[in-house]
Amino acid sequence: EAGVAQSPRYKIIEKRQSVAFWCNPISGHATLYWYQQILGQGPKLLIQFQNNGVVDDSQLPKDRFSAERLKGVDSTLKIQPAKLEDSAVYLCASSLSDTQYFGPGTRLTVL
Amino acid sequence: RKEVEQDPGPFNVPEGATVAFNCTYSNSASQSFFWYRQDCRKEPKLLMSVYSSGNEDGRFTAQLNRASQYISLLIRDSKLSDSATYLCVVEKGTGRRALTFGSGTRLQVQP
Repeated sequence: EAGVAQSPRYKIIEKRQSVAFWCNPISGHATLYWYQQILGQGPKLLIQFQNNGVVDDSQLPKDRFSAERLKGVDSTLKIQPAKLEDSAVYLCASSLSDTQYFGPGTRLTVL
Repeated sequence: RKEVEQDPGPFNVPEGATVAFNCTYSNSASQSFFWYRQDCRKEPKLLMSVYSSGNEDGRFTAQLNRASQYISLLIRDSKLSDSATYLCVVEKGTGRRALTFGSGTRLQVQP
């Protein structure tokens, strides 16, 4: 069974630039999550989708972050404009029940 | 107070040792509890769920004390391959399967 796919794996940008990350969940998984993991910390939930609807985006900095899952399958997370403190690994996860399966993440460096 | 607090690491133990990790959580409405393992520069993976009755999976034993809002993980007969960061994870209590991760405890098993 294919796992959660994410791209790109690495991205380096300058502050105030825009960046987008893509995630393709495990086939059949209705729930999709985006997390931000800063070095030395645990993952922090940014947004949770159930099919193509948002379930929880309470910790998403909506002034600069946006996410969509238009067809209820793959998803994109965008940051515009990026700040230095956005440097982190962005993890996508999907689930069918209680277990969340994570993708390899996108490591973002903002200079 | 953090929603999920873990022992600060790192724990450096010799092969064959028994090591215990502790975790406390603040949300009494949380219903599901997990331990995830994260290898260096990799994504988190589910190690085991934690039940009130306690549960064991080979060398790993997890315990939950709801009254004290305390979770533990015991690893017996440590192997070099157990070296990783162990993340204590608590469901947010919203019934939507959103998770809160602790910052993790790093374990280094030495030969």
